[in-house]
Amino acid sequence: AQKITQTQPGMFVQEKEAVTLDCTYDTSDPSYGLFWYKQPSSGEMIFLIYQGSYDQQNATEGRYSLNFQKARKSANLVISASQLGDSAMYFCAMREAPSGNEKLTFGTGTRLTIIP
Amino acid sequence: ETGVTQSPTHLIKTRGQQVTLRCSSQSGHNTVSWYQQALGQGPQFIFQYYREEENGRGNFPPRFSGLQFPNYSSELNVNALELDDSALYLCASSFTGGAAYEQYFGPGTRLTVT
Repeated sequence: AQKITQTQPGMFVQEKEAVTLDCTYDTSDPSYGLFWYKQPSSGEMIFLIYQGSYDQQNATEGRYSLNFQKARKSANLVISASQLGDSAMYFCAMREAPSGNEKLTFGTGTRLTIIP
Repeated sequence: ETGVTQSPTHLIKTRGQQVTLRCSSQSGHNTVSWYQQALGQGPQFIFQYYREEENGRGNFPPRFSGLQFPNYSSELNVNALELDDSALYLCASSFTGGAAYEQYFGPGTRLTVT
């Protein structure tokens, strides 16, 4: 079974609008972390935001927020007031802590295009 | 603090050849993970190095091997290259036992096998 599922292969959003990128995950471990990365065409994976499974509040980093619904195993990324520079691939990833290593499992990504 | 660096940026090799990719971890980090990202897909975990030893491996054959050096930098070696090895190779730097959110990636090496 897929551990990380991103069901939106591509999205088109008008500049300045908010956008939600979906991510669901599957794990039986009580301790895990969820990441969102942005990958522009240059290829570098840019860290955006992190949510720990025991964190009580949803993570926020500037225009990025993570809508964490633990019971539904959902960790959607919300980008407020989208900008042209937000056009990129976005990946959701999970780290399962008991594995003893830092391995990340990634989803297949969502290509976001911001329309002027 | 310095970020994660990788070399070379691009590489073209012929099927059957061997290749070495290099990664320097972020200052203060002691763990390096390597990922393969085929075109149009998410990165796939190859292996991880911590304290100069392999500490976890994904579903990759033994012709993918690595090293970690005392300064925490790392190499990824691929022998007997196949066409399907063409991909972006990413390394990620972290600190085992430190903040869980610190997983920072380098710019990647784009390998083309012809």
